Amino acid sequence: KNQVEQSPQSLIILEGKNCTLQCNYTVSPFSNLRWYKQDTGRGPVSLTIMTFSENTKSNGRYTATLDADTKQSSLHITASQLSDSASYICVVRGAAGNKLTFGGGTRVLVKP
Amino acid sequence: DSGVTQTPKHLITATGQRVTLRCSPRSGDLSVYWYQQSLDQGLQFLIQYYNGEERAKGNILERFSAQQFPDLHSELNLSSLELGDSALYFCASSVSNRSSNTGELFFGEGSRLTVL
Repeated sequence: KNQVEQSPQSLIILEGKNCTLQCNYTVSPFSNLRWYKQDTGRGPVSLTIMTFSENTKSNGRYTATLDADTKQSSLHITASQLSDSASYICVVRGAAGNKLTFGGGTRVLVKP
Repeated sequence: DSGVTQTPKHLITATGQRVTLRCSPRSGDLSVYWYQQSLDQGLQFLIQYYNGEERAKGNILERFSAQQFPDLHSELNLSSLELGDSALYFCASSVSNRSSNTGELFFGEGSRLTVL
């Protein structure tokens, strides 16, 4: 069964600090992996997409990594800001049937 | 602004009632997806339509139904509502259903349903 597990479920960090979110998946065959940011009560917005051949990709203070061999991805937030408080959702697209599998998300709270 | 429009933004109704949520996808997007998000929970996939046809079904209750019209807008119908149906309902659209598509979903702002 295709699964996407995210950890931690939630975390609190101080403004200016860094943090790393994890995403482990069992989806196979793999097509791509996206990280979405969801502000409270809003729709998710794509931060970055990782394909099989990509190891690292940055979008401003967000850096995603992918290890397709171990089926792991991470999202690193550098120099966190209050506006980074949100849920971060890992979504994996399978190559067979084009199906999307969502992780449960990591809720990040940045405190001043 | 994602370009996906959902109405209504908020809806309060009573148990046993029926409601219809509406979604207009981004211009040019053929696929529409519906998701349910209960309080502090992850997104649960309900159903996907592509160019008017049902393409995939998730954990959608029999009391719920959806359709996509020729102009590509979609409606999600929820009937015999229960307290547990209270949730945010998101619509998302994407360009196509093909595997060549990188598959970014563009989400609307959601319809918040409260069942009393």
